[in-house]
Amino acid sequence: DQQVKQNSPSLSVQEGRISILNCDYTNSMFDYFLWYKKYPAEGPTFLISISSIKDKNEDGRFTVFLNKSAKHLSLHIVPSQPGDSAVYFCAAMGSGGGADGLTFGKGTHLIIQP
Amino acid sequence: DVKVTQSSRYLVKRTGEKVFLECVQDMDHENMFWYRQDPGLGLRLIYFSYDVKMKEKGDIPEGYSVSREKKERFSLILESASTNQTSMYLCASSYAWVGEQFFGPGTRLTVL
Repeated sequence: DQQVKQNSPSLSVQEGRISILNCDYTNSMFDYFLWYKKYPAEGPTFLISISSIKDKNEDGRFTVFLNKSAKHLSLHIVPSQPGDSAVYFCAAMGSGGGADGLTFGKGTHLIIQP
Repeated sequence: DVKVTQSSRYLVKRTGEKVFLECVQDMDHENMFWYRQDPGLGLRLIYFSYDVKMKEKGDIPEGYSVSREKKERFSLILESASTNQTSMYLCASSYAWVGEQFFGPGTRLTVL
């Protein structure tokens, strides 16, 4: 059973506009959430994270929103740039920390159109 | 910047061979992890280590073992490689137990 779901396999956005990537989770024991970006033939690169005690975290062009009651988080990228084209993974971690490992979604391929 | 390196980007082995995948991190992180990534299955945790000589099983440890003799190095061992172990293997390290993990570039292993 998939505990972290990214329901959009791909997303196409025009350069300069906002990209919104969505993620849903089912495990209420998750309390730390992360977004990773991955280029082909490379390992995932950490982008931004959020603890369950917050509902928003911002870092430059990237903002992550967490809605605990809906078990939903989203990543906003504003403005979108061509270099943002990559696969984005949502990941979650429980209170067990590293012992639980990171549970990843299957990823969303973001394509930024010029 | 955190740097996690893996010994090989691509590896081809025969069924039954013993395979070593090496991972080195340069940020003095206590915690290190091995994942495998397969299409449609995402990343799955194989083993992790929270200190030198300490190791714990993840979700899919069968067919694998690990070694951590030095803090900066975490090795994944396939005792007798099988075709179903063909995959992308990713090593990661972290400073905090709950927090971001930093990944290496991955090793694409093919077992024939």
